Formats: sequence, C-alpha cells, structure tokens
Amino acid sequence: DIQMTQSPSSLSASVGDRVTITCRTSQSISSYLNWYQQKPGKAPKLLIYAASSLQSGVPSRFSGSGSGTDFTLTISSLQPEDFAAYYCQQSYSTPYSFGQGTKLEIK
Amino acid sequence: QVQLQESGPGLVKPSGTLSLTCAVSGDSISSSNWWNWVRQPPGKGLEWIGEVYHSGSTKYNPSLKSRVTISVDKSKNQFSLNLSSVTAADTAVYYCARAVYGWHWFDPWGQGTLVTISS
Repeated sequence: DIQMTQSPSSLSASVGDRVTITCRTSQSISSYLNWYQQKPGKAPKLLIYAASSLQSGVPSRFSGSGSGTDFTLTISSLQPEDFAAYYCQQSYSTPYSFGQGTKLEIK
Repeated sequence: QVQLQESGPGLVKPSGTLSLTCAVSGDSISSSNWWNWVRQPPGKGLEWIGEVYHSGSTKYNPSLKSRVTISVDKSKNQFSLNLSSVTAADTAVYYCARAVYGWHWFDPWGQGTLVTISS
C-alpha cells in the first residue's frame, strides 16, 4: 500500500498570505495525485487533479505541482473562504489513500 | 450537473450490517466511470472503502475487504454498499463519489450520511 505523509497537520495564516501544503508518498505515483478542500459539515471538493490541473470553477489562486513522490498545493493569496481542511489523495493504485489532512485556520 | 445522493439507516446495531445506497443523477451508472464509497469517522480523516464498475467489477480496501460488498443496479442508476459485522469503529460519515476512469480522482461527491453504530 502507498503511504501518504501530508504536512503540516495544521496551519495558521492571515488573509492575503501565500501558503503551501506538502504531500509525500511512499513510492513514486507519477502525477496521480489529487487535492481536495473540505469545509465543516460538507463533502470534500476537488481542487486539483493529476497533480497540477485546476478543476473547473476553482479559483486560479489554487495551484498544484510535483510528480513522483513529492507534491505541493499552493494558495497564492488566502481569502476568507479558503479556511478549511485540505487533503491529498493518491489514485495511482488501490487501495487509494488520503493524506492525514491539513487544517488551515485564521491567524 | 451530476449529483450523487446517499440514503440508508442512520443507526445500526453492533454486529449488524450497514447498508447504504447512492442514487446517481445527471450521469449514467453505465458510463466509463467507477463508483466509490469513502468514509470519515467524526473528527478524523478520509478512508477509501471500495469501488464498482457498471460491469460489476469491484475493488476493495484490504482493511475492509472481508466485510464489504459494493454492487450496482443499472435499472435504478444507483450503487450500494453493504458492510457486515459492524462495530463502533465503523461509525462515520459515509460518502459516495464518482471516479474518472483511468485517473480516479473523485468528483463529484454526495453530501454524505452519518451512520452511528450503537445498541
């Protein structure tokens, strides 16, 4: 099974800040890495697929990069609606697995 | 647009079987996608349970494989999850989601349904 290590587990930031969340996998997964945003009481929402492709309707301040084992999600300028939990997910092989999550909080 | 909606009992007794259904609208269950179940215990992270293709082919998480059955009902455009021998550790919000064939990112997701295991 592929292990996911996502960091940090929590992050305090201010509106307008640039933030980066990282995800590392235990083996190479090419670009089979996806990012989701989850707000309290809601289902996860796809932000980035295939490591760097922006899902339709997602603001361009979100971006993803990486391949192989190391990936990043960057939010270029935090907006109030971006404070949420973020999860990476590998879709290279079953069992598909998620990172532990990053809770992004307002400083 | 594509919408998924979970339904089923919100309370299941220990040692019983958890049964949920996901109704799909805006897409055919026979399209080239996989249909998935993911769960999230209260306050915790996401766990992939398994998926089904319209042919009936399935893939399961080995951690749950002995207790899980996922099936598809093409006549009703829906798919289902059965999880047997449940314990309190199976208490979670259960989500259904569509996965794009080949790349397997999950989009969209259902709103989720909380299932509590308790006597």
